Amino acid sequence: AQSVTQLDSQVPVFEEAPVELRCNYSSSVSVYLFWYVQYPNQGLQLLLKYLSGSTLVESINGFEAEFNKSQTSFHLRKPSVHISDTAEYFCAVISNTGGFKTIFGAGTRLFVKA
Amino acid sequence: GAGVSQSPRYKVAKRGQDVALRCDPISGHVSLFWYQQALGQGPEFLTYFQNEAQLDKSGLPSDRFFAERPEGSVSTLKIQRTQQEDSAVYLCASSLDRRQETQYFGPGTRLLVL
Repeated sequence: AQSVTQLDSQVPVFEEAPVELRCNYSSSVSVYLFWYVQYPNQGLQLLLKYLSGSTLVESINGFEAEFNKSQTSFHLRKPSVHISDTAEYFCAVISNTGGFKTIFGAGTRLFVKA
Repeated sequence: GAGVSQSPRYKVAKRGQDVALRCDPISGHVSLFWYQQALGQGPEFLTYFQNEAQLDKSGLPSDRFFAERPEGSVSTLKIQRTQQEDSAVYLCASSLDRRQETQYFGPGTRLLVL
């Protein structure tokens, strides 16, 4: 069965520092990959997604993620974080071998300190 | 409406009580999903509707859980004879079409079973 591993449960970082949130998924023939963000007291929102084409995808607020098929990874990066980026980040995958069910990782709590 | 809405936002139930959780998806969205999110975990898939058809209910944890979407819009998740292990946040999401590439999440219903 498809699974998603987020290697870090919490990532504390200082404002304006770079950050990487790691995500690995179990191998599958074809997958769609997603990062969702959950700000405090808000619902889940799609941050960015990889469906096909360019392996580097970007969000409107400066995050980017790169699909690496050989390493089955989809790590999320931002070169300079802001206090407002403090949130829970979830990596998710849809495999077209599993009935298009979305599988989420356990989440990584990003805490940006001043 | 502007987004996915869920009601109630909070529910406290005594063990053994039946509960019903409602989801109003974005108007016109074909696909509807229910997820269960335990504390400190990512959302776990429960069931999927395409219009009024329940195409995947493989994530429902027991036969005490039942979901319906009779007219292809509003959906209800019912839990019979609630147990303490049912305590979680129940998330509803909808997407415009069958491809499920972008899911829009509601704020969730936090269920506490005493």
